[in-house]
Amino acid sequence: SQTIHQWPATLVQPVGSPLSLECTVEGTSNPNLYWYRQAAGRGLQLLFYSVGIGQISSEVPQNLSASRPQDRQFILSSKKLLLSDSGFYLCAWSTVGSYNEQFFGPGTRLTVL
Amino acid sequence: RKEVEQDPGPFNVPEGATVAFNCTYSNSASQSFFWYRQDCRKEPKLLMSVYSSGNEDGRFTAQLNRASQYISLLIRDSKLSDSATYLCVVNGNSGAGSYQLTFGKGTKLSVIP
Repeated sequence: SQTIHQWPATLVQPVGSPLSLECTVEGTSNPNLYWYRQAAGRGLQLLFYSVGIGQISSEVPQNLSASRPQDRQFILSSKKLLLSDSGFYLCAWSTVGSYNEQFFGPGTRLTVL
Repeated sequence: RKEVEQDPGPFNVPEGATVAFNCTYSNSASQSFFWYRQDCRKEPKLLMSVYSSGNEDGRFTAQLNRASQYISLLIRDSKLSDSATYLCVVNGNSGAGSYQLTFGKGTKLSVIP
């Protein structure tokens, strides 16, 4: 069966520090991968998605970036965090099919101070 | 008009009650529809896909009305464990193709003993 891992589970970082969040998927090949952010009391906002190695599409302009160095690895990064980057970061995967359900990892709760 | 709109609630219902959630979506080209549940401070989890003919999974029934761009979720015989936020999710079929899902902000349900 497929599983998706994210780490770390929680993170507290000072403003201006760098960020690297990692997501890996097991049990499937060539998944679509996604990064979402959920701010307190808000809906899920799609940040990036990837349909293959090295292929990244950005949905929202921001100071974050994403990379996909391997088929089942997706990384979210920032060179300098802002207070507004605080939130719950969720990685998800899907296969390309008629219904395209997405399955989420456990998330990383980021607090920028 | 918001892309996916839900009543935020909260819906406070006694155990054993029947409760219904509604959702409207703005993109008439949407092809896929889902309900997810999200427990407090956890990742969203797929509850059920919504098919054109309507579908049932145990105590849960989902309906889709394409003409009115309306989705519903009915929960019968509510359990304490049903307490969560229920997210209405629609395939965006936007510039991201069929990959992008648009999430409503959710309806909060509290089942009371």
